[in-house]
Amino acid sequence: QKEVEQDPGPLSVPEGAIVSLNCTYSNSAFQYFMWYRQYSRKGPELLMYTYSSGNKEDGRFTAQVDKSSKYISLFIRDSQPSDSATYLCAMNDNFNKFYFGSGTKLNVKP
Amino acid sequence: DVKVTQSSRYLVKRTGEKVFLECVQDMDHENMFWYRQDPGLGLRLIYFSYDVKMKEKGDIPEGYSVSREKKERFSLILESASTNQTSMYLCASSRTGIYGYTFGSGTRLTVV
Repeated sequence: QKEVEQDPGPLSVPEGAIVSLNCTYSNSAFQYFMWYRQYSRKGPELLMYTYSSGNKEDGRFTAQVDKSSKYISLFIRDSQPSDSATYLCAMNDNFNKFYFGSGTKLNVKP
Repeated sequence: DVKVTQSSRYLVKRTGEKVFLECVQDMDHENMFWYRQDPGLGLRLIYFSYDVKMKEKGDIPEGYSVSREKKERFSLILESASTNQTSMYLCASSRTGIYGYTFGSGTRLTVV
């Protein structure tokens, strides 16, 4: 069983839709959770960072962590074609090494 | 603009060749990482380093080695390239502590 599971998609939505991206994990020691966005032929870039359970909002993006269910989500409101990318979740158990999901490919159609 | 620079975007090598992938960061980060990214498998950690001349094996170190002689530079070496090492290779760096990674743009390596 992988440490982090993520649906690869692709997920295709119309412009303006609310997008929900999710990851599940097995290690209850994970406390730090991140979302990265990766455009085609580029390296991933850090999008959101949360610690422990709860919500964090940044503009159109909301990251949510439910440690009791070992489930994290990234919501994108008013999605734009420029949001089309692969989204990777990552998590850490208090050491320098992060565990990554395999990524969900999102396509926002104009 | 802080960044991680990987020396090549695309590389084609022959089976059995020794291959060097170079990565340089200008953020004075302590930690550096090498990942490979394959469809359906996501990011897999090959090696990482917490300090100059230090290295730790990741999840898939077989067939690879690394070198970190200077803080800003972390090299990945494929001792004898094989076709199953065809992949996208990503270098990343971070500060010590729980901080996000800064990734390079990647090197797409094809071994023929």
